[in-house]
Amino acid sequence: NAGVTQTPKFQVLKTGQSMTLQCAQDMNHNSMYWYRQDPGMGLRLIYYSASEGTTDKGEVPNGYNVSRLNKREFSLRLESAAPSQTSVYFCASKKRTDNRFYSNQPQHFGDGTRLSIL
Amino acid sequence: AQTVTQSQPEMSVQEAETVTLSCTYDTSESDYYLFWYKQPPSRQMILVIRQEAYKQQNATENRFSVNFQKAAKSFSLKISDSQLGDAAMYFCAYRSDYNQGGKLIFGQGTELSVKP
Repeated sequence: NAGVTQTPKFQVLKTGQSMTLQCAQDMNHNSMYWYRQDPGMGLRLIYYSASEGTTDKGEVPNGYNVSRLNKREFSLRLESAAPSQTSVYFCASKKRTDNRFYSNQPQHFGDGTRLSIL
Repeated sequence: AQTVTQSQPEMSVQEAETVTLSCTYDTSESDYYLFWYKQPPSRQMILVIRQEAYKQQNATENRFSVNFQKAAKSFSLKISDSQLGDAAMYFCAYRSDYNQGGKLIFGQGTELSVKP
């Protein structure tokens, strides 16, 4: 029972390089999310996909792009990495967001990707 | 916009004692959900407890309970009989009712240490 799987777990980039963080869930969830975690700031939402075929900006979307490849997969891309994007990135998923019956269901998180940009 | 504030960056408790972590939030919504997540050094995000705003009864999960004060917009976590394995970063989180994308808004976190 894998849940939410993120790859890679660690990555070091040079400023200006590009990279895609991968996320896949096997729980048949409709909604998926990307957060970043910085010291003293908790987790902040970058982008989310409420359902397959839709994506929306979160609190801190600048410098990132996302693709909801299919129901299972939601990738996060850094086109030109900057040192300010050094962070731990978490992917999460949730059953549904458009139905009150599922509204109290929690998000399930991956184990995170630690990304360092030099 | 909603905000979540955890004013205690660090807390410490003696093993077997009780500790309370504070969380306040700001919202104009009447229906919403509140969560406490635990993040041990392994970096996993583990759901500890959840509370629906329309429920007056405080949620409990074994040694974990909350004090939900809707009017005061306060949502504290009480850990009873603290164990060494409770040492972790704890995050309070807010989520709007359904059809708002299911986005979580997190507080800054409280790092809890447990002394043997």
